[in-house]
Amino acid sequence: DGGITQSPKYLFRKEGQNVTLSCEQNLNHDAMYWYRQDPGQGLRLIYYSQIVNDFQKGDIAEGYSVSREKKESFPLTVTSAQKNPTAFYLCASRHQGTGGNFYGYTFGSGTRLTVV
Amino acid sequence: AQSVTQLGSHVSVSEGALVLLRCNYSSSVPPYLFWYVQYPNQGLQLLLKYTSAATLVKGINGFEAEFKKSETSFHLTKPSAHMSDAAEYFCAVSANFGNEKLTFGTGTRLTIIP
Repeated sequence: DGGITQSPKYLFRKEGQNVTLSCEQNLNHDAMYWYRQDPGQGLRLIYYSQIVNDFQKGDIAEGYSVSREKKESFPLTVTSAQKNPTAFYLCASRHQGTGGNFYGYTFGSGTRLTVV
Repeated sequence: AQSVTQLGSHVSVSEGALVLLRCNYSSSVPPYLFWYVQYPNQGLQLLLKYTSAATLVKGINGFEAEFKKSETSFHLTKPSAHMSDAAEYFCAVSANFGNEKLTFGTGTRLTIIP
């Protein structure tokens, strides 16, 4: 079955460390997104990519980095510059519609990152 | 720019009662609107979407939503709540052109009382 796989499901990071969250999709979707979820704040966009080798900052990109070397993969690195990284991270993808079509997002099951 | 406001961060209803979750949007262009559901420690699942066809949209699990342009609303309803409906619900909006990204509301946690 097609879908989005996020790994690991739980991740613990020591202060000062960089960690990378994996996101892989086999849906042949063009666009991919990273969101951060905190209680009571909904989903906030970190980075997104609409095509391989190109990506844009979202609303809260500081302290994060991404790459898009393959269509299927969009890893997110949480750097030591991110001051409060403890959160639930969600990856999503979407087929790029044409002619007025718009497709909703397909989400992965998330990675819960905790700083210890 | 687009935004959504979800009224009520927590809603409780009795099993079998009507579910009403409120969403108001702001958009400078005609919008696309979505409702997603999230169960604990999981990703979001699409319930339904409005993309400028019928204003009453039916989704999965017996949910539906009505687009009301005059009220800038897209409220989610279900006639009879079931225990399995307990989850968090997110409203989202996008401009209806190109491939604009979604903007999400802050969510409403639905509790079902037995």
